[in-house]
Amino acid sequence: DGGITQSPKYLFRKEGQNVTLSCEQNLNHDAMYWYRQDPGQGLRLIYYSQIVNDFQKGDIAEGYSVSREKKESFPLTVTSAQKNPTAFYLCASSIDTNTDTQYFGPGTRLTVL
Amino acid sequence: GQSLEQPSEVTAVEGAIVQINCTYQTSGFYGLSWYQQHDGGAPTFLSYNALDGLEETGRFSSFLSRSDSYGYLLLQELQMKDSASYFCAVRNRDDKIIFGKGTRLHILP
Repeated sequence: DGGITQSPKYLFRKEGQNVTLSCEQNLNHDAMYWYRQDPGQGLRLIYYSQIVNDFQKGDIAEGYSVSREKKESFPLTVTSAQKNPTAFYLCASSIDTNTDTQYFGPGTRLTVL
Repeated sequence: GQSLEQPSEVTAVEGAIVQINCTYQTSGFYGLSWYQQHDGGAPTFLSYNALDGLEETGRFSSFLSRSDSYGYLLLQELQMKDSASYFCAVRNRDDKIIFGKGTRLHILP
């Protein structure tokens, strides 16, 4: 089955530690995205990638970093510089950035203690 | 600035019809999308309107008026499983997808 996966579903970390969230897709999509969702809020764009080895900052990139070494993978690192990292993180992909339809992974709920 | 406005909550009765509105203000506009998200789950794509008018997909329909920067999602024959949050979204000229804050739909038996 084609789809997009994120792991783990729940993640706990101590304050001051970096943590990397996994996102993999086998849809052969060029574009991938990371969003953050806080309670009662919409989705805010952290980073996006239009193609392998290329990525751009979204609206709230500070304290986050990404890489796109393979078409299928777009991991997100939440660094200690992110002031309020506890949130629900969603990864998505689309055929390309000219396409409005996005396919989302199940999300990772990160809690920083 | 860029923004999408939609009601925070809507309540309707099982079997009834409900309309969720969305007004937008963005730099560039290609079309309006709608997503459904159940609690704790991932958003799933529902519909997309690039042109004015009504698009129907089963019990769900979506409408767009580009001149009014306005659209709505219409849900008919409501079922309890339709209880979820609904987000409108637009792609701006930077090819970023901007999401509204979501409308939480409560369905009463």
